[in-house]
Amino acid sequence: QLQLRESGPGLVKPSETLSLTCTVSGGSISSSSYYWGWIRQPPGKGLEWIATTSYSGNTYYNPSLKSRVTISVDTSMNQFSLKLDSVTAADTAVYYCARHRGNYYDGLDQWGQGTLVTVSS
Amino acid sequence: DIVMTQSPDSLAVSLGERATINCKSSQSVLYSSNNKNYLAWYQQKPGQPPKLLIYWASTRESGVPDRFSGSGSGTDFTLTLSSLQAEDVAVYYCQQYFGTPHTFGQGTKLEIK
Repeated sequence: QLQLRESGPGLVKPSETLSLTCTVSGGSISSSSYYWGWIRQPPGKGLEWIATTSYSGNTYYNPSLKSRVTISVDTSMNQFSLKLDSVTAADTAVYYCARHRGNYYDGLDQWGQGTLVTVSS
Repeated sequence: DIVMTQSPDSLAVSLGERATINCKSSQSVLYSSNNKNYLAWYQQKPGQPPKLLIYWASTRESGVPDRFSGSGSGTDFTLTLSSLQAEDVAVYYCQQYFGTPHTFGQGTKLEIK
C-alpha cells in the first residue's frame, strides 16, 4: 500500500534553511490523480498547512509562509521536497508530508509518520 | 483566511455514549457549482499522524467505522460518534479545503468519562 516517509535534519540553526524530503513508495507520485502536501504541527499545538504540489509542478502556498517556502517534486525519485528559509524557533514542529485524495481541493488521505525539526543554535 | 472554530475544546463522554464535536467556519465552504462542502474531519492519536475520517463534510473514508458520521453545510458542521469506544480517545480536527490557505480548527480533545 502507499507509504510516505519524511527525511531530513532534525536540528536546524536559526536563520538557516530547513530542507525535508518525502519519499513515496507503493505508488507513483506521477499520477495525475493526486496532489502532495506538507503540513506542520508545533509541539502540543494544532495543524498548519504549508504547501501543496502536483506531479507536474502546480504549486500552492500558505500566504503566511510563501516568502520563505519552496515545494518541489522529483518524479524520477518519486519524491517531493520542502525548503523553508530563514528559520526561527517558531518553525520548530513535527513536519508531515501527505497526499490529497484528489487535486488540491480535497482532503488528505495518506500521511507520513512525521519528522520533528527543532530550530536551535 | 477562513478561520475554523471547534467546540468544545475538550469533551469527556462515557463509553457507549454519543459524542458531538462542532466546527464553524468564518465563511461558507459550500461550492454552489457542485453543491459540495469542502470540509474534512481528522482523528489524531498521540504520537501518530492525523487520520482522515470524513471528507466532503459527510462522506466516510474507506475503513472508518460507521459510528463516525459528519453533517452540516455552509458554515456549521458536526462530527458525531454514535457510541464511544475506548480506541476513539484522540484529538479531532476539522479542516476546510475551499480557500487558500487550507485551515484547520484548533482541535477537540475527546476523553472517556
